[in-house]
Amino acid sequence: SQTIHQWPATLVQPVGSPLSLECTVEGTSNPNLYWYRQAAGRGLQLLFYSVGIGQISSEVPQNLSASRPQDRQFILSSKKLLLSDSGFYLCAWKRDGNQPQHFGDGTRLSIL
Amino acid sequence: ILNVEQSPQSLHVQEGDSTNFTCSFPSSNFYALHWYRWETAKSPEALFVMTLNGDEKKKGRISATLNTKEGYSYLYIKGSQPEDSATYLCASYYGQNFVFGPGTRLSVLP
Repeated sequence: SQTIHQWPATLVQPVGSPLSLECTVEGTSNPNLYWYRQAAGRGLQLLFYSVGIGQISSEVPQNLSASRPQDRQFILSSKKLLLSDSGFYLCAWKRDGNQPQHFGDGTRLSIL
Repeated sequence: ILNVEQSPQSLHVQEGDSTNFTCSFPSSNFYALHWYRWETAKSPEALFVMTLNGDEKKKGRISATLNTKEGYSYLYIKGSQPEDSATYLCASYYGQNFVFGPGTRLSVLP
């Protein structure tokens, strides 16, 4: 069966510090991968998606970046966090085509 | 900018009541409409993936319909139970990326 792991579960970082959130998928190959953010009181906003190794599409311009160094690994990064980066970050995967997404447990990021 | 809307924003019903919510999406370049249930302290869970105009899907007491020509989908819950309390999200899928609605928060009171 397929599983998705996302870590850490919670993170408190000062403004201006770097960020690295990691997401890995097991039990499938060549998944489509997604990073979402839910800011306080708002819906899920798609940040990045990837259909293959090294292929990243950005939906929202910001100071975040994403990388996919391996088939089942998706990393969300920032060189310098802003207060507005606070929120709940979710990673998800799906098979190609009209298939449902499967979400990780999320990371609660608080910027001080 | 594609915009997916959901109504109502929140809903309180009594146990045993039936209820429904609406998802509105742009019908151009449509691929599929997804429904997810997001319970507190858990990750979103897929309910339905719908693609064809007139589609109707059912899972237990929950069902959904799809109108791609006018760009809306309804989610119905029959005989609501406290365990149905969650935020229900719809998302329009445009081939590779998703646009999520803000969700409908359902509270079922015992």
